[in-house]
Amino acid sequence: AQKITQTQPGMFVQEKEAVTLDCTYDTSDPSYGLFWYKQPSSGEMIFLIYQGSYDQQNATEGRYSLNFQKARKSANLVISASQLGDSAMYFCAMARLGGTYKYIFGTGTRLKVLA
Amino acid sequence: DAGVIQSPRHEVTEMGQEVTLRCKPISGHDYLFWYRQTMMRGLELLIYFNNNVPIDDSGMPEDRFSAKMPNASFSTLKIQPSEPRDSAVYFCASSLLGPDSYEQYFGPGTRLTVT
Repeated sequence: AQKITQTQPGMFVQEKEAVTLDCTYDTSDPSYGLFWYKQPSSGEMIFLIYQGSYDQQNATEGRYSLNFQKARKSANLVISASQLGDSAMYFCAMARLGGTYKYIFGTGTRLKVLA
Repeated sequence: DAGVIQSPRHEVTEMGQEVTLRCKPISGHDYLFWYRQTMMRGLELLIYFNNNVPIDDSGMPEDRFSAKMPNASFSTLKIQPSEPRDSAVYFCASSLLGPDSYEQYFGPGTRLTVT
């Protein structure tokens, strides 16, 4: 069975600093994808970044990067140069690629950026 | 391009009433997903469609819930009769799943309150 674990219920970071949000996963599928979503207080779910299990390089999207360590089954999100607008809930998700494409979400980490 | 559109954004109803939530996916996307988000259970996948056909409804909580996708641009999630424990935010998401694209794009959600 697939499982996603986010152990940090809440995090604080100073504006302009970098922050790492942890995500570990468990799966027996050989091909899977890992995703991060942002949910601001307004409630919408915003896609941030995707990493495939066979991708050799870590994914990057602007200030977001995914620190993918396959042997450790971790897919941490790194946000560089934090901004006040980064304050939100962040969800890690996983899906088996090919077949069902069902997402499993973690419980989320609430990030607060301090001025 | 318009994103995923959901209506209504907020719904307040009394226990026992029928509730219908609506979703218009992004044009060209062939997968549509319905999720429910609560504090207790987090984000749960209820059902998803591929090319208008329900593929997996194992997340639908009980027979009171039903979902349809009569065409590629419209889906409904119906609860009949509604109960207070159905109070949640319901998200619709769509995707064009394939070798180069696995992310899902979420609508703004419908906040349902059943009194």
